[in-house]
Amino acid sequence: AQTVTQSQPEMSVQEAETVTLSCTYDTSENNYYLFWYKQPPSRQMILVIRQEAYKQQNATENRFSVNFQKAAKSFSLKISDSQLGDTAMYFCAFMTFNSGTYKYIFGTGTRLKVLA
Amino acid sequence: DTEVTQTPKHLVMGMTNKKSLKCEQHMGHRAMYWYKQKAKKPPELMFVYSYEKLSINESVPSRFSPECPNSSLLNLHLHALQPEDSALYLCASSQELAGRETQYFGPGTRLLVL
Repeated sequence: AQTVTQSQPEMSVQEAETVTLSCTYDTSENNYYLFWYKQPPSRQMILVIRQEAYKQQNATENRFSVNFQKAAKSFSLKISDSQLGDTAMYFCAFMTFNSGTYKYIFGTGTRLKVLA
Repeated sequence: DTEVTQTPKHLVMGMTNKKSLKCEQHMGHRAMYWYKQKAKKPPELMFVYSYEKLSINESVPSRFSPECPNSSLLNLHLHALQPEDSALYLCASSQELAGRETQYFGPGTRLLVL
């Protein structure tokens, strides 16, 4: 069975600094997708960044980038130049859809607080 | 319009009540999802519709009954719920049922079962 682990329940970072959130997963699948979602307090969940497992190049979206290590089954999120608006719960998620079996699994989340 | 709307925002119901949650999107998406999120926990997938057909049912109790009347609407009918069903119910949609597609989430309906 697939599992997603986020070992940091809470983190804080000073505004304008860089922070890295960790995520590890376990699967026997070869084709899958990994995601980082952001859920601000009382606001909608939005996709931050996505990585296809078959792509070796790490995904980047503006200040957000990932370090995808397929062999180690690690998928960390780096936030550069942190802003107050980055304060949120961050979920790592795993998705696979093979042979009619669909799995979309979220990790337990990391609560990030950006300090002024 | 990249918006998924959900009504109502809040719902309080007794264990004998029947109620429905509604989700709507006008992005032309053909996949729609229901998730349940307990406080301080990650979302858990409940149901997935693809092209208005139920594709995934994650062994959800029958007191939750999904319905997709058309490509823009997704309902979740609730009957004889238990207090432990109190949670935030999230709806999402994506262009297709595929990993490369971004899921767009609604704001959720916060449900309290008394």
